[in-house]
Amino acid sequence: GAVVSQHPSWVICKSGTSVKIECRSLDFQATTMFWYRQFPKQSLMLMATSNEGSKATYEQGVEKDKFLINHASLTLSTLTVTSAHPEDSSFYICSAPGLAINYGYTFGSGTRLTVV
Amino acid sequence: TQLLEQSPQFLSIQEGENLTVYCNSSSVFSSLQWYRQEPGEGPVLLVTVVTGGEVKKLKRLTFQFGDARKDSSLHITAAQPGDTGLYLCASHNAGNMLTFGGGTRLMVKP
Repeated sequence: GAVVSQHPSWVICKSGTSVKIECRSLDFQATTMFWYRQFPKQSLMLMATSNEGSKATYEQGVEKDKFLINHASLTLSTLTVTSAHPEDSSFYICSAPGLAINYGYTFGSGTRLTVV
Repeated sequence: TQLLEQSPQFLSIQEGENLTVYCNSSSVFSSLQWYRQEPGEGPVLLVTVVTGGEVKKLKRLTFQFGDARKDSSLHITAAQPGDTGLYLCASHNAGNMLTFGGGTRLMVKP
């Protein structure tokens, strides 16, 4: 089945630094990927839609200059959290749609970001 | 954007008990999916329901899709500690985006 690999699994960074999270589709091509953010004990909130070869589409309230998304190839999307602050600490998850609606979405294993 | 309401938000039960989780919307679902997420991991698809009135079974899990396709339920029979996790319903919006309900956090005590 479709596999999405996300790295790193966890990262601790200092305030003001930038962190890059990678999301790779291992055995299929993904023209579209989605980035979610999840706070403790809450559901997933869509941040942005990553489109291969074009600009990402951000959800309302998500700062595009802070959360930079690049989808340079059909198998790789990256999310860079720039000038990170403690309030950016969260669980970030990427996903890619399945080949058919019944296949659902395949999710990465998530990245736990802690900004100190 | 379609809003999905899940209930209950949190459920703590003893091993062997039955439970039902609900997912409702004011508008019609084109399709609906149920996912299960364990701490520190991404959600994993359990089932997709498409047809109104549809019932699907996955071992001790029974999924129902309402006739009007505005609601769905997940019923777990004889819950086990391994069922502990966050259960999420989700639907597709325009642009193929997946929107999640608020989630139901289930804890099954041995």
